[in-house]
Amino acid sequence: QKEVEQNSGPLSVPEGAIASLNCTYSDRGSQSFFWYRQYSGKSPELIMSIYSNGDKEDGRFTAQLNKASQYVSLLIRDSQPSDSATYLCAPQGGKLIFGQGTELSVKP
Amino acid sequence: EAQVTQNPRYLITVTGKKLTVTCSQNMNHEYMSWYRQDPGLGLRQIYYSMNVEVTDKGDVPEGYKVSRKEKRNFPLILESPSPNQTSLYFCASSIQGEEKLFFGSGTQLSVL
Repeated sequence: QKEVEQNSGPLSVPEGAIASLNCTYSDRGSQSFFWYRQYSGKSPELIMSIYSNGDKEDGRFTAQLNKASQYVSLLIRDSQPSDSATYLCAPQGGKLIFGQGTELSVKP
Repeated sequence: EAQVTQNPRYLITVTGKKLTVTCSQNMNHEYMSWYRQDPGLGLRQIYYSMNVEVTDKGDVPEGYKVSRKEKRNFPLILESPSPNQTSLYFCASSIQGEEKLFFGSGTQLSVL
């Protein structure tokens, strides 16, 4: 079983819609998670981190963590074409491994 | 400016010709790591280092070597490159491996 799995893409949403990106992980010891955004040909950049169960909001982005279900998600409200990128989920700590990423395309 | 510097940005080489990709960070980070990125496979860790003279294998270490003689530098060495090592490579660092990763700009390697 892969250590981190993300919903396969590409995910296409219309401008202004909510984009939902999901991630499951196998290591029950993982305590917190990072979401990185990567534009094509560029390096990943951190957009959200979440350390405890529940929701964390930052502008149009909301991260949700459910440790019992080993599930973390990222919601992007009012999606914009500039949100079109690959989103990578990464449990914190240790080897800092990543999921395979979900490609998001926001259509004007 | 705090940054991770990778060189070169692009590299085309031939099978079997040894090469080194350099990585340097100016943030006094203890943790450094190398990843390769291939379409559909995401970022896969090659090697990581928790501190000077401490390195460990990631998920795909075969065909690669690293060294960490100084805190700021973490070069990636391909002793005998093969075409299946054609990929986009990223170096990254963080304070102690438990925090946000800072990434270099990437090295696009093509092995012919």
